[in-house]
Amino acid sequence: GEDVEQSLFLSVREGDSSVINCTYTDSSSTYLYWYKQEPGAGLQLLTYIFSNMDMKQDQRLTVLLNKKDKHLSLRIADTQTGDSAIYFCAEGGGANNLFFGTGTRLTVIP
Amino acid sequence: GAGVSQTPSNKVTEKGKYVELRCDPISGHTALYWYRQSLGQGPEFLIYFQGTGAADDSGLPNDRFFAVRPEGSVSTLKIQRTERGDSAVYLCASSVSPRDPSPEQFFGPGTRLTVL
Repeated sequence: GEDVEQSLFLSVREGDSSVINCTYTDSSSTYLYWYKQEPGAGLQLLTYIFSNMDMKQDQRLTVLLNKKDKHLSLRIADTQTGDSAIYFCAEGGGANNLFFGTGTRLTVIP
Repeated sequence: GAGVSQTPSNKVTEKGKYVELRCDPISGHTALYWYRQSLGQGPEFLIYFQGTGAADDSGLPNDRFFAVRPEGSVSTLKIQRTERGDSAVYLCASSVSPRDPSPEQFFGPGTRLTVL
């Protein structure tokens, strides 16, 4: 079955860049996603990338996809304290459901 | 509101009881999904509806779990004979239609179920 793995924790200083990494197993995934979850709030879609792309940039966010290695990363430039949250990588394959990783808790130190 | 809503926000029940969790998707969204998020984990897929029918229920853990969407809008997740291991946040999501034109699933705030 599908397996999505992420490191559990990441701490960065305010103003630095954050890089959150993810590996997945399903090579047939059509889209790969990054979601953000803040305490007491629902999942918020940050960005997604189509599997035939290798990079997508959206303001402070840059997504890199290495399809050969099944590796996805999310870079947040100029990280702010409001970026502190749990970030989930997810893959969507032929079925219509999403498979999520365990999440990376990003802590931004002022 | 324009988002996905879920009721109740919190539900505490006793082992063995029956519970119903409700999801109101965004108006016009034909696809509806249920996920379960246990503490410290990512959301886990349960069931997906396209219109009124369950197109994929492969994520339901056992036959104590059942979901309906009789009119193609509101959905109810039903759990019989609840067990302590059912304690989790149950998330609902909807999308315009699967994959087209946008692959985005919009999530509700979830229902936190606690089985004592």
